[in-house]
Amino acid sequence: QVQLQESGPGLVKPSQTLSLTCTVSGDSISSGSYYWSWIRQPAGKGLEWIGRIYASGTSNYSPSLKSRVTISIDTSKNQFSLTLSSVTAADTAVFYCARERRQGIHYGVFDSWGQGTLLTVSS
Amino acid sequence: DIQMTQSPSSLSASVGDRVTITCRASQSISSYLNWYQQKAGKAPKLLIYTASSLQSGVPSRFSGSGSGTDFTLTISSLQPEDFATYYCQQSYSTPWTFGQGTKVEIK
Repeated sequence: QVQLQESGPGLVKPSQTLSLTCTVSGDSISSGSYYWSWIRQPAGKGLEWIGRIYASGTSNYSPSLKSRVTISIDTSKNQFSLTLSSVTAADTAVFYCARERRQGIHYGVFDSWGQGTLLTVSS
Repeated sequence: DIQMTQSPSSLSASVGDRVTITCRASQSISSYLNWYQQKAGKAPKLLIYTASSLQSGVPSRFSGSGSGTDFTLTISSLQPEDFATYYCQQSYSTPWTFGQGTKVEIK
């Protein structure tokens, strides 16, 4: 059974760049059967998709964050990572990594999630 | 972006009640609609995919229906472990977008 685990600094200062890593176990990230996504959730609010990456390195981002986001993949470590630049307090949220499977002709079904990691932006 | 709107935002119900949550898309998304359950402090869990398919391991009291722009999630007989927040999400086109959530509380 696949498991995903986020890791990150917990606290980042405004204007800095945050980096988070998702380690996948129980499935090969390079199998090519899934996309690997990042999703965030501010406290008490809803879910926002940030972006995704495929084993080949192909990535897609939400237009609202595209200018500040990079998602990368390290198949040798079975990990994928998120960097978000120029952070502000509005970026404070729980960040989840998730496996995105295909259903029909579309992907976008999040069938496995990490437990989430809280990132706080504060000086 | 496709906007997803859920109603109600919250509801109170008793164990054994039949509960229905509605999700509306801002444009047609065919059947590319998924439902998730999130309990406090936990990650969301996939319940229903492509509008009406039950994810493996999910109790059969959960069901989904709809196509185009209007969808529903039904819990046929609410159980104590079902008190949670439910989200719909479209998987028709990126950026994937979620509804704002419906919190199901104990009456």
